[in-house]
Amino acid sequence: GAVVSQHPSRVICKSGTSVKIECRSLDFQATTMFWYRQFPKQSLMLMATSNEGSKATYEQGVEKDKFLINHASLTLSTLTVTSAHPEDSSFYICSGKTRETQYFGPGTRLLVL
Amino acid sequence: QKEVEQDPGPLSVPEGAIVSLNCTYSNSAFQYFMWYRQYSRKGPELLMYTYSSGNKEDGRFTAQVDKSSKYISLFIRDSQPSDSATYLCAIIIPGGKLTFGQGTILTVHP
Repeated sequence: GAVVSQHPSRVICKSGTSVKIECRSLDFQATTMFWYRQFPKQSLMLMATSNEGSKATYEQGVEKDKFLINHASLTLSTLTVTSAHPEDSSFYICSGKTRETQYFGPGTRLLVL
Repeated sequence: QKEVEQDPGPLSVPEGAIVSLNCTYSNSAFQYFMWYRQYSRKGPELLMYTYSSGNKEDGRFTAQVDKSSKYISLFIRDSQPSDSATYLCAIIIPGGKLTFGQGTILTVHP
């Protein structure tokens, strides 16, 4: 199957700082990538759809100014959590879309103190 | 009504048992069906995907889709402790987004 990587795998930051998470498709080109967050013992919640070369589309209730998404190439999308607060602590997962399905990255665990 | 419904379990079986995981979906227009496995603190791993009614087999795993009853299943034969994880059914909805079931927590004990 296709491989998606994420960096960093884990980050701890102070409240008020910004954190950038990278998502890369390693062996395929992903015109579309998705960003999810997952709270403990819950299913994945779609945050936004990232399309290469255009603005991301955010799901209802997700603040686009807080979660900045950039998809500058066919293999890289970034999610920046701006002015992070403790309630932003979560597991963030990206996926790359192929014609048939989506392949997920290993996730990034964010802890905001 | 949710687009995809999945029994969250938890499900606990002895090693070697056959496991049956099930989901139902609401819209007959859905065409692509997937099963993911997620270990704790990891991203979901694609196990199988299919787009037609019938069975698809891959090793110990068999995915089954019944479009007439809007029912999808995953069977695991000869289950192993390493199969212990959360299993998520997922469907691609119009627009290319995935919608997930709630996930079933499976424990296979030695």
